[in-house]
Amino acid sequence: QQQVKQSPQSLIVQKGGISIINCAYENTAFDYFPWYQQFPGKGPALLIAIRPDVSEKKEGRFTISFNKSAKQFSLHIMDSQPGDSATYFCAASKKSAGYALNFGKGTSLLVTP
Amino acid sequence: GAVVSQHPSRVICKSGTSVKIECRSLDFQATTMFWYRQFPKQSLMLMATSNEGSKATYEQGVEKDKFLINHASLTLSTLTVTSAHPEDSSFYICSARDGQGSGNTIYFGEGSWLTVV
Repeated sequence: QQQVKQSPQSLIVQKGGISIINCAYENTAFDYFPWYQQFPGKGPALLIAIRPDVSEKKEGRFTISFNKSAKQFSLHIMDSQPGDSATYFCAASKKSAGYALNFGKGTSLLVTP
Repeated sequence: GAVVSQHPSRVICKSGTSVKIECRSLDFQATTMFWYRQFPKQSLMLMATSNEGSKATYEQGVEKDKFLINHASLTLSTLTVTSAHPEDSSFYICSARDGQGSGNTIYFGEGSWLTVV
């Protein structure tokens, strides 16, 4: 059972545009929500993460928006660049499970020049 | 930043043999390490969670006798695929939890491509 649902499956954005990826979860026990970026043949790299007591977190061009009541969170990539082309995974974890990550299915982002 | 080293990055083994993959946290103590398996164009599937000095906890459907996990120290965990078969060919990725601070930051290794021929 997929505990974190991610959309869209794929996304094409022009250079300079905003990329938006959405995730939803059901388990209210989740207390940590990271986003990972993965290039082909590489392990995932932590991009940015948020806790449910914060509605937004920004790091450079990457912003997480978090809606606790709707149990949704999203990643916004501002001024998207071709180098951002990768697969992005949202995840959720909880302390009671040792912070094991429950991943979404991933979004393949292509930023065109 | 925190680094998790995984070795080997690629390995080819014959069907029926065993292969060991190492995962090391280089600049932090990892009280917990996780092993994932990833098929092409799919998400990461958690195989097992290991805590230093104790037995690993396997996810449902993962054969513990086939995928042996050892977490002997705070910086090293190993995954041994025993009696490997072609269907075990996959991308295996480890991750380690940095126990400092809030304790919930998890870093991933670069992954190991296993091909069983």
